[in-house]
Amino acid sequence: GIQVEQSPPDLILQEGANSTLRCNFSDSVNNLQWFHQNPWGQLINLFYIPSGTKQNGRLSATTVATERYSLLYISSSQTTDSGVYFCAVEVFTGGGNKLTFGTGTQLKVEL
Amino acid sequence: DAMVIQNPRYQVTQFGKPVTLSCSQTLNHNVMYWYQQKSSQAPKLLFHYYDKDFNNEADTPDNFQSRRPNTSFCFLDIRSPGLGDAAMYLCATSRYGTSAVTQYFGPGTRLLVL
Repeated sequence: GIQVEQSPPDLILQEGANSTLRCNFSDSVNNLQWFHQNPWGQLINLFYIPSGTKQNGRLSATTVATERYSLLYISSSQTTDSGVYFCAVEVFTGGGNKLTFGTGTQLKVEL
Repeated sequence: DAMVIQNPRYQVTQFGKPVTLSCSQTLNHNVMYWYQQKSSQAPKLLFHYYDKDFNNEADTPDNFQSRRPNTSFCFLDIRSPGLGDAAMYLCATSRYGTSAVTQYFGPGTRLLVL
């Protein structure tokens, strides 16, 4: 099956710093999503981004499907950004789309 | 607000005692998924329903079953929970067939097996 690797696995930032998270995948995919999992376990949709660049406030994401990677940018980080960031790639099947999650990046933002 | 709801949020069961987790959705999505997430790991798909069609992942243990009595509800049954089944169980939905097939996740049920 498809392999999805994220880097770095762990990241500690001072509040206000910027960061870039990377997601590499081993095969062609139909789509890609970025999620933030908060400390209570809720997975929150950040971006649905099969290709190109999208921005939402302090967050932006870029996917280069032909080179099989995606980047998530966090600017001016805040303590509420702490948690685990997952990318997940989507493969269409005959009966619904299936997500394969990456290995995750654990982010901690300190004051 | 349209959403995915999971009950209970925390479930404690005994080793070998059957347990059922519940998921409901108000999004009118035709696909519902169950994921298992163990500590410090990524969510792993167990199975999904596309309308009434059940799709099991090849490596999902037989101990895990699912039911979808109608569009809005989906249940995860663990017939004989073992200690290794302690995890967060996440339900998700999507509207297959549209151009944007984002999956939406519920808050999860954290299962503890004693």
